[in-house]
Amino acid sequence: QKEVEQNSGPLSVPEGAIASLNCTYSDRGSQSFFWYRQYSGKSPELIMFIYSNGDKEDGRFTAQLNKASQYVSLLIRDSQPSDSATYLCAVNADKLIFGTGTRLQVFP
Amino acid sequence: ETGVTQTPRHLVMGMTNKKSLKCEQHLGHNAMYWYKQSAKKPLELMFVYSLEERVENNSVPSRFSPECPNSSHLFLHLHTLQPEDSALYLCASSLEGPSEQYFGPGTRLTVT
Repeated sequence: QKEVEQNSGPLSVPEGAIASLNCTYSDRGSQSFFWYRQYSGKSPELIMFIYSNGDKEDGRFTAQLNKASQYVSLLIRDSQPSDSATYLCAVNADKLIFGTGTRLQVFP
Repeated sequence: ETGVTQTPRHLVMGMTNKKSLKCEQHLGHNAMYWYKQSAKKPLELMFVYSLEERVENNSVPSRFSPECPNSSHLFLHLHTLQPEDSALYLCASSLEGPSEQYFGPGTRLTVT
């Protein structure tokens, strides 16, 4: 059974801080990794994807991948209240396997 | 219209009804997906179509019947559903294979 694990949270951070969201996966052969943001009552929105070990930056978002440790993370710098949402990690293991998501709360 | 659209956005149906969900993608993608999202559970992949051919059916009950008439349209036909089928049904598309997938707004289904 291929699995993707995320802490359900909530992760609470103050406005302006760095939010760190983590995800582990079981299929060592996974090749691509995705982060989706889902606001309450809305559908998931793709915000980052990463294929190679290391860091990938896009604005305030940085995705980090460590295939040896089967670990992928998402850093959100200068967190804003509008970043409050559930963040879903997804791993391509012949099909996309989703985690249950981490709920992030950014308080003013 | 841009991206992935879904209709209806909300649906309430009785267990003896028959209804259909519609999805349309305007991205020129070749693969389309149906997912079910229930509270506290990860997204569940139901069906995958690639170039209008069904490539995966994740042991979904026969009361859910997909149809993909072309690469831009996807339907999910529903009949004799159960209350536990109440969920958010999401359509997604990707250029090819399980790569970056883009989701529609979803249909919130309630079975009474």
